[in-house]
Amino acid sequence: DAGVTQSPTHLIKTRGQHVTLRCSPISGHKSVSWYQQVLGQGPQFIFQYYEKEERGRGNFPDRFSARQFPNYSSELNVNALLLGDSALYLCASSPEGGRDEQFFGPGTRLTVL
Amino acid sequence: AQSVTQLDSQVPVFEEAPVELRCNYSSSVSVYLFWYVQYPNQGLQLLLKYLSGSTLVKGINGFEAEFNKSQTSFHLRKPSVHISDTAEYFCAVRDAFQGAQKLVFGQGTRLTINP
Repeated sequence: DAGVTQSPTHLIKTRGQHVTLRCSPISGHKSVSWYQQVLGQGPQFIFQYYEKEERGRGNFPDRFSARQFPNYSSELNVNALLLGDSALYLCASSPEGGRDEQFFGPGTRLTVL
Repeated sequence: AQSVTQLDSQVPVFEEAPVELRCNYSSSVSVYLFWYVQYPNQGLQLLLKYLSGSTLVKGINGFEAEFNKSQTSFHLRKPSVHISDTAEYFCAVRDAFQGAQKLVFGQGTRLTINP
């Protein structure tokens, strides 16, 4: 069975640009969470979506937004990119609302120049 | 809100030696704890989890962890490490937040195995 997939693998943008990251959960999983991992730190929670509704949002500015589609895949959008947005963005899926194990994808490495 | 502290940022050990990676969490009525491993340029893989029951939890790749409520610790151990265990290890606690079930991670411990 396929695990969580994310695209693209790597991305280079310049300051002020917009970026869209994509995530496909494990088949049958209804919940998707997004995390940001800055180099040398642990992942930080950004969003959780369950059944296409936002369940919670971490301490991130409004430049960060996300949505979940009817097939449970998800997009993370970041506007007006800053150098500090450079990080590994991880997507995790779980069967229900995250009360069980979260399965992580390989991540998207975003570099902002 | 829950929090996690990983007491060592780096742990160097020799191959076939035992290792312990330390993790302390903030106290709570109920706590769900996890250890994840991250190999270079990869995502996170679950090593083991404590949800309830036995305080000694066995995971993949020969790792185990012991939940100690009185010391609010969840240390990860392996009796004999291999070169392939070189990776970043993250301790995490599940936290209910605004209706979400998010993971709160520690800063990570880099385990380096020397031949």
